[in-house]
Amino acid sequence: KAGVTQTPRYLIKTRGQQVTLSCSPISGHRSVSWYQQTPGQGLQFLFEYFSETQRNKGNFPGRFSGRQFSNSRSEMNVSTLELGDSALYLCASSLPGTGVKNIQYFGAGTRLSVL
Amino acid sequence: TQLLEQSPQFLSIQEGENLTVYCNSSSVFSSLQWYRQEPGEGPVLLVTVVTGGEVKKLKRLTFQFGDARKDSSLHITAAQPGDTGLYLCAALIGGSQGNLIFGKGTKLSVKP
Repeated sequence: KAGVTQTPRYLIKTRGQQVTLSCSPISGHRSVSWYQQTPGQGLQFLFEYFSETQRNKGNFPGRFSGRQFSNSRSEMNVSTLELGDSALYLCASSLPGTGVKNIQYFGAGTRLSVL
Repeated sequence: TQLLEQSPQFLSIQEGENLTVYCNSSSVFSSLQWYRQEPGEGPVLLVTVVTGGEVKKLKRLTFQFGDARKDSSLHITAAQPGDTGLYLCAALIGGSQGNLIFGKGTKLSVKP
């Protein structure tokens, strides 16, 4: 089975631009979660999509948004980029289990640099 | 406020040494997970602990969940360079359909 695929792997943008990141989950996984990882704050939860609906949302401004398609692929968008948005953005997929069955499988991430 | 506090933040040791890293919280969790993240990769699940006082072993790695389910530890025996990476603990919040929160991690470097 192919793992979680994130594209692109690296991205350089300038302040004020917007960016779209893509995530293809493991086949059969319907839940996709997005995280931001920085050296200072660590791994922080952005949002989760399940069956094309946002199920959970972290504490990030509205500039961060996402969506999920009928094939479970997901995209996240960041508008009006700020320098502080420079980070590794990780996507994780999981089966529609609950609690301890909520094992997340992570992609390798997209490294976003905002200049 | 960080719900999960990990210590130490950084650890640099020689091959063959033993080490313990900690994950502490003032909150009670139904379960706790440990992940390892290598440079250029996403985190990979190592183990999930569920029961207070539970001990799980994965080769040279021993994981323990505190009796009160507020803390956990990871002990590595005879560390090897392949153990190098960022060790993250994570807990599920918001009920069974909630989301994972992560500690900031312990960055381990094992020198040959």
